[in-house]
Amino acid sequence: SQQGEEDPQALSIQEGENATMNCSYKTSINNLQWYRQNSGRGLVHLILIRSNEREKHSGRLRVTLDTSKKSSSLLITASRAADTASYFCATAASYGKLTFGQGTILTVHP
Amino acid sequence: EAGVVQSPRYKIIEKKQPVAFWCNPISGHNTLYWYLQNLGQGPELLIRYENEEAVDDSQLPKDRFSAERLKGVDSTLKIQPAELGDSAVYLCASKREVQETQYFGPGTRLLVL
Repeated sequence: SQQGEEDPQALSIQEGENATMNCSYKTSINNLQWYRQNSGRGLVHLILIRSNEREKHSGRLRVTLDTSKKSSSLLITASRAADTASYFCATAASYGKLTFGQGTILTVHP
Repeated sequence: EAGVVQSPRYKIIEKKQPVAFWCNPISGHNTLYWYLQNLGQGPELLIRYENEEAVDDSQLPKDRFSAERLKGVDSTLKIQPAELGDSAVYLCASKREVQETQYFGPGTRLLVL
């Protein structure tokens, strides 16, 4: 079973715009991670935020975590066509085990 | 460093036939995972190995699925017999013991006819 629910299921934007994806989960976590998957490929780790952190940045990525609401958001600023992919949040409730959400399909139009 | 290697990349079989997938993790990664990913869904864990020991196989349908990691490096996932509903992408991932980030292979796309 998948713990995370992601919203929206699909997002279509123009190059240069910002993209925001949300993830909600049900149980307590140690950390939350975001992964990207290009069509026909494996997943690539983007960023990890721990349960005691509220916000984290990496390049054009900004992740927030609200443990009281059991939710996280991923913001991609100044989107590029190459950002087109599926984005998954994954929660780590116990060591070494990730539970993935259903993903958000992002399409960035040039 | 080389990434996680999986083979074959694609496999088409008829139902009731056996099939096997192979994974070579990143060198030095003692934790290995097999995931199932259905179309439009996120990966779901099938089994996790710490070295050669399967420490979490609660989601593995043991009536038809089996896995092994004999020397704590390469791993094989087998389905026998395959069913139509097994059509999916099978992903392998690995990580170092102290890491929390998993590194994924490209997956094996299985189609059962």
